[in-house]
Amino acid sequence: QVQLQESGPGLVKPSETLSLTCTVSGYSITDGYSWAWIRQPPGKGLEWIGSIYHTGNTYHNPSLRSRVTMSVDTSKNQFSMRLTSVTAADTAIYYCVRHPTVEPSFDCWGQGTLVTVSS
Amino acid sequence: QSALTQPPSASGSPGQSVTISCTGTSSDVGGYNFVSWYQQHPGKAPKLIIYAVSERPSGVPDRFSGSKSGNTASLTVSGLQSEDEADYYCSSYADSNNYVFGTGTKVTVL
Repeated sequence: QVQLQESGPGLVKPSETLSLTCTVSGYSITDGYSWAWIRQPPGKGLEWIGSIYHTGNTYHNPSLRSRVTMSVDTSKNQFSMRLTSVTAADTAIYYCVRHPTVEPSFDCWGQGTLVTVSS
Repeated sequence: QSALTQPPSASGSPGQSVTISCTGTSSDVGGYNFVSWYQQHPGKAPKLIIYAVSERPSGVPDRFSGSKSGNTASLTVSGLQSEDEADYYCSSYADSNNYVFGTGTKVTVL
């Protein structure tokens, strides 16, 4: 059974970089699925941040412009995200998610990690 | 890209049906048969309940069904049960490998 677990700092200062890692267990990260990050500000709705496909291609929400980078570490069965120049608006629960792309959906979610942007 | 439009709330009595709409554009909902739906209980991660407009993942009760007409997708929950009380979000693939979520609907079982 596939499980995903986010890790990273819970508090980030404004203008700094938010870095999160997702550890995948029960499934090889190279076995054909793509992987995504989705966030949810407290009390608000879901927002797709971006996806890294099994081909290595990455796609991100245009609203985040070029602040997002994503990568995969196959040796550790992990994938990661970096969000630069954070502001209070980036305060949210961040989820890492498995992302089937043949019939696109987000089918397996981590428990989420709250990241607060504050000085 | 703008969020897909969902009604803020919906409700029904146990055993009744409730239908939630999800309205987008020809660049997302109307252009692709890649609408999915998620159920989220308070303090929990979302759970996939419908993909590809009307397909149910293994283990999801057949009380949940999805459909689409033009730029609007719908989720119907039949035979409402107390555990169906949750927030529901739609999502759609959009042009150029983007994804967009709906604004969310809180379902209350009366």
